[in-house]
Order: sequence, then C-alpha cells, then structure tokens
Amino acid sequence: EAGVAQSPRYKIIEKRQSVAFWCNPISGHATLYWYQQILGQGPKLLIQFQNNGVVDDSQLPKDRFSAERLKGVDSTLKIQPAKLEDSAVYLCASSSRDSRYYEQYFGPGTRLTVT
Amino acid sequence: QKEVEQNSGPLSVPEGAIASLNCTYSDRGSQSFFWYRQYSGKSPELIMFIYSNGDKEDGRFTAQLNKASQYVSLLIRDSQPSDSATYLCAVKIFSGGYNKLIFGAGTRLAVHP
Repeated sequence: EAGVAQSPRYKIIEKRQSVAFWCNPISGHATLYWYQQILGQGPKLLIQFQNNGVVDDSQLPKDRFSAERLKGVDSTLKIQPAKLEDSAVYLCASSSRDSRYYEQYFGPGTRLTVT
Repeated sequence: QKEVEQNSGPLSVPEGAIASLNCTYSDRGSQSFFWYRQYSGKSPELIMFIYSNGDKEDGRFTAQLNKASQYVSLLIRDSQPSDSATYLCAVKIFSGGYNKLIFGAGTRLAVHP
C-alpha cells in the first residue's frame, strides 16, 4: 500500500511570495490533515478535511493560508503572501474512517524556507 | 486549551538500557494515545497506540497508560543507537464533532554505544 505522497520536498521563497504544496493521501483514507511543524515543536494542525469538506480550520491563518480538497482525494495548501515565520515543515497526514482509533499516517513533508 | 506535555530532553541512555519516555495530558476525556518516532529531517512515524489502562507491548516497545493520573509513557527495552530520535506523544480528543490529535513537543532520545 502506497503511503502519503507530498510535493515538493523542499521550497525556498522570498517573503511576500506565494507557494503551494500538494498532498495525495493513502488510498481510501477519507480524512486528510495539514500540519505545520516548526523546528523544536510538535506538529500543529492547520486544517482537517473529511472527504472534500472542511471540518476544522480553527488554527489556519485564513488571511494568508488556504486549502482545498477537490473530489475528496488529493489536496493543496497555499500560502500567499508568505512571511518569515512561515518557515517550517508542512506535513500532510491521512486516516481511515474504518479505523476505530483514527491513527494518522504522515507523508514525508515539505520543508519551506522563507527568506 | 488542550495540552500535551513532554520533557524535551535530551534523554541520554547507554546501549542496551531501558529508555523511559513520559507524557502528561490535560483533557480527561481523551480516549486514544499515540507514540510517533521522528528521525531528524524526517516525518513522524507511528510506532504504537494505546487506549486502555495498563500496558501494551510490541516487540521492544511498551506503552503504559494511566487515565486517572492522565499519564502515558513509552518504554524502549534494549535501546539501540538506531532508536535515537525524537519521540512525539499525541492524544486524540473529540472537539467540534470530530476527532483530532494534539501533539506534544517531543522528547529527544540519544542512545550512546
């Protein structure tokens, strides 16, 4: 079974530029998560999708971040415009509704550096 | 604010020893608890989860849960240098009608030969 796929793996941009990240979850996983992990901290949930609907975006900075999950499969997270403090690893994870405990599986992440 | 607390470490243990990693959480309604291992520059990898009080063993790993004390731990027996990583504790909470994970900041484990 293929794992969670993400691209790109690394991205360097200047502040005020825009960037987009892509994620493809494990096949059949209805729930998809985007996390931000700043160096030395645990992952922080940005947004959670159930199929193609948003169920939690309470910690998403909506003035600059947006995300979509068209057709309930892959997802895109966008930052526009980027700030220096957005430098972090952006992790995508997915989980199956058939799992009783909702364990989440992570992709390799995208390391973003904003200069 | 739901919180998950871990000692940041580093926890340094000699090869072959038992490493004990601890985690406390604030939400008494939490149902499931997860341990993720994260190597430097890599993404978190799920290694164990536990939902009932007591111990759960998987190979060299044992997860322990005490809901009354709001405490979960991970024991690694016969520690190897390859176990050197950051271990993230995550707690599943039910919020806004959906399940979500709250992560601690992680404990860095260093196993020296």
